[in-house]
Amino acid sequence: QKEVEQNSGPLSVPEGAIASLNCTYSDRGSQSFFWYRQYSGKSPELIMFIYSNGDKEDGRFTAQLNKASQYVSLLIRDSQPSDSATYLCAVNPPGNQFYFGTGTSLTVIP
Amino acid sequence: DVKVTQSSRYLVKRTGEKVFLECVQDMDHENMFWYRQDPGLGLRLIYFSYDVKMKEKGDIPEGYSVSREKKERFSLILESASTNQTSMYLCASSPSGTGFYEQYFGPGTRLTVT
Repeated sequence: QKEVEQNSGPLSVPEGAIASLNCTYSDRGSQSFFWYRQYSGKSPELIMFIYSNGDKEDGRFTAQLNKASQYVSLLIRDSQPSDSATYLCAVNPPGNQFYFGTGTSLTVIP
Repeated sequence: DVKVTQSSRYLVKRTGEKVFLECVQDMDHENMFWYRQDPGLGLRLIYFSYDVKMKEKGDIPEGYSVSREKKERFSLILESASTNQTSMYLCASSPSGTGFYEQYFGPGTRLTVT
């Protein structure tokens, strides 16, 4: 079983819509969760991270954690064409390791 | 701005060669990381370092070693390159006290082993 799993997509949403991306994690003891964005041909960049104690909102982005079901979601409100990228979920489980999912490709259609 | 640079954007090596991938950061970060990124497998942690001369194994250290002689520089070494090490290699760094939390990535080195 992979540590972090994501639906590879592609996910397409119209401009202005809400994009919803999800990932599941296997280690129930995980307490830190991250979302990175990676544009085609570029390196990943951190969008936001959350701890197990709550959700987080930053501008148009909201990260939510469902500990009981072991999944993390990223909502992008008012999606823009510039949001078109691959979104990587990552988890820092106990034991000093770091695992990325394979990413979900998002396309925002103008 | 944090800047993480990698010595080469593209590299072609032959099987059995010793390969050095260099990473330098200019923000006095304590922590440095090496990943490889492959289609369908995503980013996987190879090695990381919390301090000079310290190293920790990541998820896939086999076939690799690292060196950190200076704080700003972290080298990944392929002792005897093999074709299954053809990949995109990404270096990252993060500030002291943040561990994995605020990683800044370099542009990557696409290594092809023939």
